[in-house]
Amino acid sequence: QSVLTQPPSASGTPGQRVTISCSGSSSNIGSNTVNWYQQLPGTAPKLLIYSNNQRPSGVPDRFSGSKSGTSASLAISGLQSEDEAHYYCAAWDDSLNGWVFGGGTKLTVL
Amino acid sequence: EVQLVESGGGLVQPGRSLRLSCAASGFTFDDYAMYWVRQAPGKGLEWVSGISWNSGSIGYADSVKGRFTISRDSAKNSLYLQMNSLRAEDTAFYYCAKGIVGATNSFFDYWGQGTLVTVSS
Repeated sequence: QSVLTQPPSASGTPGQRVTISCSGSSSNIGSNTVNWYQQLPGTAPKLLIYSNNQRPSGVPDRFSGSKSGTSASLAISGLQSEDEAHYYCAAWDDSLNGWVFGGGTKLTVL
Repeated sequence: EVQLVESGGGLVQPGRSLRLSCAASGFTFDDYAMYWVRQAPGKGLEWVSGISWNSGSIGYADSVKGRFTISRDSAKNSLYLQMNSLRAEDTAFYYCAKGIVGATNSFFDYWGQGTLVTVSS
């Protein structure tokens, strides 16, 4: 049981816009920023979004993040086949004094 | 270019010990927090431990507290994870990750490729 809650799966067709939610509590998302990681099949996770809505250099602007209260969302517009991956949200938890992750969302491009 | 290369994984019996290493290059190792994150086969990510730039702040997940010890060696630009009293549920890929600043609450911006630890008799 992960501290942050994500839907286990999401899907869309090429060109569509999809969103993935991440729900937490006051001790994590409610008081700290959210980061998103993309894990392509058979590879290590890669930073996709940091500080709620910032994109590292090299990440396409099709990826965007937002946060409101104790929830966050990752949006992917203009869906492409290479976006098929697992996506994880993460935040620092002030009560646990450690990092917590969502259970991950498997994105399928139909 | 930032590179993180883990080593030391393998098959180990329950109750035994294993030491993981992570060789870092491409950045000033002394300036950044470092972490271990694990992923059981087919499962999600779990933060295991973090250590600040100067080893002054260290944290562990409850699942490994008292059994695992994180450390770093600036002379060797290396991060370590000493794992004792291993259990079957510790079976996972173990990733080394770099923080964006020196504190242990800084998010991870680079990850290694991981090393597999299998705990089984």
